[in-house]
Amino acid sequence: EVQLVASGGGSVQPGRSLRLSCAASGFTFHDYAMHWVRQAPGKGLEWVSGISWNSGSIGYADSVRGRFTISRDNAKNSLYLHMNSLRAEDTAFYYCAKDSRAVTTGGWFDPWGQGTLVTVSS
Amino acid sequence: NFMLTQPHSVSESPGKTVTISCTRSSGSIASNYVQWYQQRPGSSPTTVIFEGNERPSGVPDRFSGSIDSSSNSASLTISGLKTEDEADYYCQSYDSSNHWVFGGGTKLTVL
Repeated sequence: EVQLVASGGGSVQPGRSLRLSCAASGFTFHDYAMHWVRQAPGKGLEWVSGISWNSGSIGYADSVRGRFTISRDNAKNSLYLHMNSLRAEDTAFYYCAKDSRAVTTGGWFDPWGQGTLVTVSS
Repeated sequence: NFMLTQPHSVSESPGKTVTISCTRSSGSIASNYVQWYQQRPGSSPTTVIFEGNERPSGVPDRFSGSIDSSSNSASLTISGLKTEDEADYYCQSYDSSNHWVFGGGTKLTVL
């Protein structure tokens, strides 16, 4: 069974940093691109970042570019999101999702992890 | 970049058919495939339609996708509505330069 388990969320003050992790199992992790998608409480989905199978292609939403860094460790079947300079508007559930392709150019996201909540507040 | 616009909410009775639209603001809707995701309360999104009109295994054929170039929009149609179809639905498409776009989501109520 393909499974994605996100972790690392929590409550943090504005301006601080946090690192999210996503542990993958049930599929050949290094064959697929991966993404982070977030959802503010009661709001819609927002794509945050995506990374190709070999980390050779990476993209960010304008809202997080320069503050967030996506990475992956294929040896550990893990995806990461390093979040710096956090703002109140970054408060959301963060989902990791598997792309249907190795590259981040037009596949579809399935499955999604369970989401980890990040709360940015003073 | 472009935006995908969806109606905020739709409602219909069990057994009926409902269509949810997703309109692309610029560029052709046919430029990249549109996906549709279902999100029930308290759950993660799941795919109901990918690559325009393909259904993952386990998704009933009551779900179908289409595009209309004249209105530059994609649509998700659910026939034979069931109460279990009540959820939020999101369209999604790929933009250029390694960037993805989601619609704002549509809340489907099955009365």
